Amino acid sequence: GAVVSQHPSRVICKSGTSVKIECRSLDFQATTMFWYRQFPKQSLMLMATSNEGSKATYEQGVEKDKFLINHASLTLSTLTVTSAHPEDSSFYICSARDPRTSGDFNEQFFGPGTRLTVL
Amino acid sequence: TQLLEQSPQFLSIQEGENLTVYCNSSSVFSSLQWYRQEPGEGPVLLVTVVTGGEVKKLKRLTFQFGDARKDSSLHITAAQPGDTGLYLCAGGASGSRLTFGEGTQLTVNP
Repeated sequence: GAVVSQHPSRVICKSGTSVKIECRSLDFQATTMFWYRQFPKQSLMLMATSNEGSKATYEQGVEKDKFLINHASLTLSTLTVTSAHPEDSSFYICSARDPRTSGDFNEQFFGPGTRLTVL
Repeated sequence: TQLLEQSPQFLSIQEGENLTVYCNSSSVFSSLQWYRQEPGEGPVLLVTVVTGGEVKKLKRLTFQFGDARKDSSLHITAAQPGDTGLYLCAGGASGSRLTFGEGTQLTVNP
């Protein structure tokens, strides 16, 4: 399957600082990427849909000024958690559709995730 | 709003036992995916089912899509400790975002 990478895998930061997480499609071009948040032993919660060259679409209840998304190229989307607080601590996962294979099947390929801890 | 109900949420069994995980909805999906996720990692796609009544096998795992494309099941035969993980079903219409089930945390004890 298609390969998606995320960086960093883990980050610890102080409250009030901003953290940027990168999501890259390594062997394909992704016009659409997705950002999820996951709490322990729970399912994935979609935060936003990232579209290359346009503004991201945020899910209800997700603050767009808090979670800045930039999809500047067909292989890179970034999520910046601004003025992070302890309640932002979570596992953040990105995914992408591979247009070569997903077609109408809606398959998403996930990155390995980023564990954010805000002290 | 499309919802997917997954059951059971937690399952702890002994090595060698069989199990079935269910994914149900009142909505019709054009396709449904099953993912497996290990702690600290992203979900990995196991299978996609698209045709009502479709059955797909992946070694000891058997996936079935309901005739009406509203439900799906995952059956594991002779479970092994390596099968331990969070299993997620996800469905969606063509080109739309995915709706995820709540997940089934499977633990296979040696």
